[in-house]
Amino acid sequence: GQNIDQPTEMTATEGAIVQINCTYQTSGFNGLFWYQQHAGEAPTFLSYNVLDGLEEKGRFSSFLSRSKGYSYLLLKELQMKDSASYLCAVIGSNYQLIWGAGTKLIIKP
Amino acid sequence: GAVVSQHPSWVICKSGTSVKIECRSLDFQATTMFWYRQFPKQSLMLMATSNEGSKATYEQGVEKDKFLINHASLTLSTLTVTSAHPEDSSFYICSARVPGLDYNEQFFGPGTRLTVL
Repeated sequence: GQNIDQPTEMTATEGAIVQINCTYQTSGFNGLFWYQQHAGEAPTFLSYNVLDGLEEKGRFSSFLSRSKGYSYLLLKELQMKDSASYLCAVIGSNYQLIWGAGTKLIIKP
Repeated sequence: GAVVSQHPSWVICKSGTSVKIECRSLDFQATTMFWYRQFPKQSLMLMATSNEGSKATYEQGVEKDKFLINHASLTLSTLTVTSAHPEDSSFYICSARVPGLDYNEQFFGPGTRLTVL
């Protein structure tokens, strides 16, 4: 079967750094996305990884290890507006997105 | 660029009625659109893939006669929930794949919250 695992919820402090992990087992791999979703809103694109390594984009970075079926999203200098759910999604062998259940990130002052 | 709109943003209807949700790509032509459903505190569930000019491809367990999808133009796909029941209450989100991008990024509409009484 196909499976994507993320922690259900994480809590961090404003100004700090947090790492959200995602592990996957899928039939085929054609890339991995991270999306941010605020409550009641649609997801918005954060990052895309298809090769091993770290992709940095401002305060957000995403890492991928294909051999380990593992990715993480790193958020630096946390702001209150970063409180949201973070969704990991893998492009499978048929080029459809397979979604994780999302990690709810709570930022405390 | 790559803006996707949905209409309506929310709808409340009586059980047994039908509801149509529109998904439009505003500044690009989308040959492929996707319809998702998301229940509270759960992930997005792909319902169907909508290809312009052809029949939609439904995911296993999704009733094609209940969730009618029409992708009649390169900028518009519609989802009609027929004979809606309270268990159909959910957040429905469409997305569109932008042609020509190196990777398969999907741009999402703002979603439609359906409440069936």
